[in-house]
Amino acid sequence: EDKVVQSPLSLVVHEGDTVTLNCSYEVTNFRSLLWYKQEKKAPTFLFMLTSSGIEKKSGRLSSILDKKELFSILNITATQTGDSAIYLCAVDFFGNEKLTFGTGTRLTIIP
Amino acid sequence: EPEVTQTPSHQVTQMGQEVILRCVPISNHLYFYWYRQILGQKVEFLVSFYNNEISEKSEIFDDQFSVERPDGSNFTLKIRSTKLEDSAMYFCASSYHRDYSYNEQFFGPGTRLTVL
Repeated sequence: EDKVVQSPLSLVVHEGDTVTLNCSYEVTNFRSLLWYKQEKKAPTFLFMLTSSGIEKKSGRLSSILDKKELFSILNITATQTGDSAIYLCAVDFFGNEKLTFGTGTRLTIIP
Repeated sequence: EPEVTQTPSHQVTQMGQEVILRCVPISNHLYFYWYRQILGQKVEFLVSFYNNEISEKSEIFDDQFSVERPDGSNFTLKIRSTKLEDSAMYFCASSYHRDYSYNEQFFGPGTRLTVL
């Protein structure tokens, strides 16, 4: 069965800290890995990583994909209170149209 | 920036009643999806829809569920006879392109369904 595991489940840090969120997966026919930020409701798309794009950066957020070890990390530097959210990792694979989600990491930034 | 919209934001219904959840996907997208998230649990795939037919569905998507694209813009999820365990947040998503490389899905704000 395809599996996506995120760690830690929750994380509390102070504003200005750097955090690293982890996502490991076991899927056959891997196609891409996606990171989403979920605040009050909708998951908001952050990054998609594929075999042709294993590193992405946008402002204070960056992500890498290790296809050999089957994991991805999401880094957030100089965290702000607005970064408080649940961060979801999802995996997409060939032969399927669904995204398989992990349980998410709840990140809380203390001012 | 184009976005997926959903209505209503919250629906309360009695067990056994039919509900229809509505979504307007991003206008040039071709693939549409429904997911649900029971409180405190993972986001789970329900169904995908392409070219006016279901292309994939999960075990959750049984005969009580149906989807439709009644016109050029709306995409609906119908639950025929709701059960208590259908209470969840229902997300609609859409994607433009699904080739051999990527399936970037954009999510709507969700409809919170409460079955009493």
